Amino acid sequence: TQLLEQSPQFLSIQEGENLTVYCNSSSVFSSLQWYRQEPGEGPVLLVTVVTGGEVKKLKRLTFQFGDARKDSSLHITAAQPGDTGLYLCAEARRGGATNKLIFGTGTLLAVQP
Amino acid sequence: EPEVTQTPSHQVTQMGQEVILRCVPISNHLYFYWYRQILGQKVEFLVSFYNNEISEKSEIFDDQFSVERPDGSNFTLKIRSTKLEDSAMYFCASRGGRYNEQFFGPGTRLTVL
Repeated sequence: TQLLEQSPQFLSIQEGENLTVYCNSSSVFSSLQWYRQEPGEGPVLLVTVVTGGEVKKLKRLTFQFGDARKDSSLHITAAQPGDTGLYLCAEARRGGATNKLIFGTGTLLAVQP
Repeated sequence: EPEVTQTPSHQVTQMGQEVILRCVPISNHLYFYWYRQILGQKVEFLVSFYNNEISEKSEIFDDQFSVERPDGSNFTLKIRSTKLEDSAMYFCASRGGRYNEQFFGPGTRLTVL
């Protein structure tokens, strides 16, 4: 069974710092989604990466997909308190006519003002 | 921007009672999902639904669970006889968009006493 490992599990930083979180798998991803979840709310889709080596930017967030499509990273520049949340990577795993999402273990980010 | 909605936001029930959780997926999506997240744990897949039938279900989705799309807009999850361990956040998702991404609702917090 393919597992998605995320690191670090917890990260507490000061406003204005940069950070990188990682998502790794033992197998090749078909595609990978990054979500952000706030307490008591549903995951909110940030980005989908599909092609090995792909880089996508969303304002201060930069997402990279590894060349071998077995890992991905999320880099946040000049973090702000509003970036606080649980960052989840997820892979769509095909089964039947639909693709269920398999989620990673998550990185809990706290940005202190 | 279209979004997935869920009702109620919080449901408290007694063990052994039936509950129905409701979702309105994004209107032009065809694939629907239920996930759950026990407090402090990963988001886990329960069931996927397409063309008015279950496409895939997890081991968690036993005979106590059922899903239905009673009309053109609602998608429901029924738990026939709730157990204490069913207490969790339940998320509905629907799939569509350029990369067939899944979009999540805000969730229903189910508390079984």
